[in-house]
Amino acid sequence: EVQLVESGGGLVKPGGSLRLSCAASGFTFSNAWMSWVRQAPGKGLEWVGRIQSKIDGGTIDYAAPVKGRFTISRDDSENTLYLQMNSLRSEDTAVYYCARENDWNYVNWGQGTLVTVSS
Amino acid sequence: EIVMTQTPLSSPVTLGQPASISCRSSQSLVHSDGNTYLNWLHQRPGQPPRLLIYKISNRFSGVPDRFSGSGAGTDFTLKISRVEAEDVGIYYCIQATQFPWTFGQGTKVEIK
Repeated sequence: EVQLVESGGGLVKPGGSLRLSCAASGFTFSNAWMSWVRQAPGKGLEWVGRIQSKIDGGTIDYAAPVKGRFTISRDDSENTLYLQMNSLRSEDTAVYYCARENDWNYVNWGQGTLVTVSS
Repeated sequence: EIVMTQTPLSSPVTLGQPASISCRSSQSLVHSDGNTYLNWLHQRPGQPPRLLIYKISNRFSGVPDRFSGSGAGTDFTLKISRVEAEDVGIYYCIQATQFPWTFGQGTKVEIK
């Protein structure tokens, strides 16, 4: 069974940093393209960024609102995806989901971790 | 990037009655490989989204056949033939034809 478990969320002050993790199991993580998608309270879904598998080039792409502040990485030996978030703003407050891509779909989603940016 | 527009944004329905959601894209979703990567997600309250329909009309594993998708080009529709209580939540269309993938605003389905 595929499982994606996010962790690392919490309350952080504006300008602060946070690192989210997504532990994956039930599939060959090293072959997977993985994304982060966020959802602000009461709002819709917003793509944050994506990392390709290393075998496919390992390209990392970011949405414009987070480019230069957020960094996606992966540790295939630990089956874990990361999202390093710096210079956090109030508008980054959201539930952050990791999602596995397959065949042009987000086929699996984690339960999400809540990030609250507030003074 | 491609803009996805859903209507209506809210849909109160009676149990056992049909429901329909429209999704329009700002440009054609036909990929150069000939496929149209228009998918639908369902998010129940307090839950993560889950894949419902992919490539316009294909039900994902475990999705009941009361859900169906149709459309072409820039106009797409999700239909629920007979709404059940477990169908409440927010439905999102998402295009995966052009990167970055983009979502519709979501349509909230609730029971009258």
